[in-house]
Amino acid sequence: SQQGEEDPQALSIQEGENATMNCSYKTSINNLQWYRQNSGRGLVHLILIRSNEREKHSGRLRVTLDTSKKSSSLLITASRAADTASYFCATAYTGTASKLTFGTGTRLQVTL
Amino acid sequence: EPEVTQTPSHQVTQMGQEVILRCVPISNHLYFYWYRQILGQKVEFLVSFYNNEISEKSEIFDDQFSVERPDGSNFTLKIRSTKLEDSAMYFCASRPPRGTEAFFGQGTRLTVV
Repeated sequence: SQQGEEDPQALSIQEGENATMNCSYKTSINNLQWYRQNSGRGLVHLILIRSNEREKHSGRLRVTLDTSKKSSSLLITASRAADTASYFCATAYTGTASKLTFGTGTRLQVTL
Repeated sequence: EPEVTQTPSHQVTQMGQEVILRCVPISNHLYFYWYRQILGQKVEFLVSFYNNEISEKSEIFDDQFSVERPDGSNFTLKIRSTKLEDSAMYFCASRPPRGTEAFFGQGTRLTVV
């Protein structure tokens, strides 16, 4: 299976703390993307990291990619209540028509 | 900012009925996708569409499903005879010619009763 797995499944932190989510995958990828989904809503693209990149930043987001371990992490620094959502990693595999294979997601709850 | 739009936002249908979910991708995009998400589960790929034909489809996308780009702007997903297990959120996505990021619509929640 090419499915990605994420951990933790759920994460509860206080505002101001950092949140780290991890994603693992199984085969060679072209790129890995992180999406956010508010409850019952659409998917919002956060950040993309290519297979030849190791780290990428965007605002309060930091993504790392370790292709030797087939894993990625998403760090949200100085979290806010508005960051409460589900976060999914999605991989685009080498040799496919760029379809995305989504992970199981991490449900992040940021409390005041 | 351009966005992918999907209609309707919520559709309730009786088992065995046909449904058509509609999407308007971003205008200069060339790659189109349908995904679905059963409540509480992960997002699953259904089908990709490029150059007026299906480029890839998953095992979920059986003979009950079809896609069409009837004109220059719409991209539709038809489910011929809905089953209870087709109840899910269906997402349309599109991608520009040279980009790697897929832009998703807000989804259509399909409830089969």
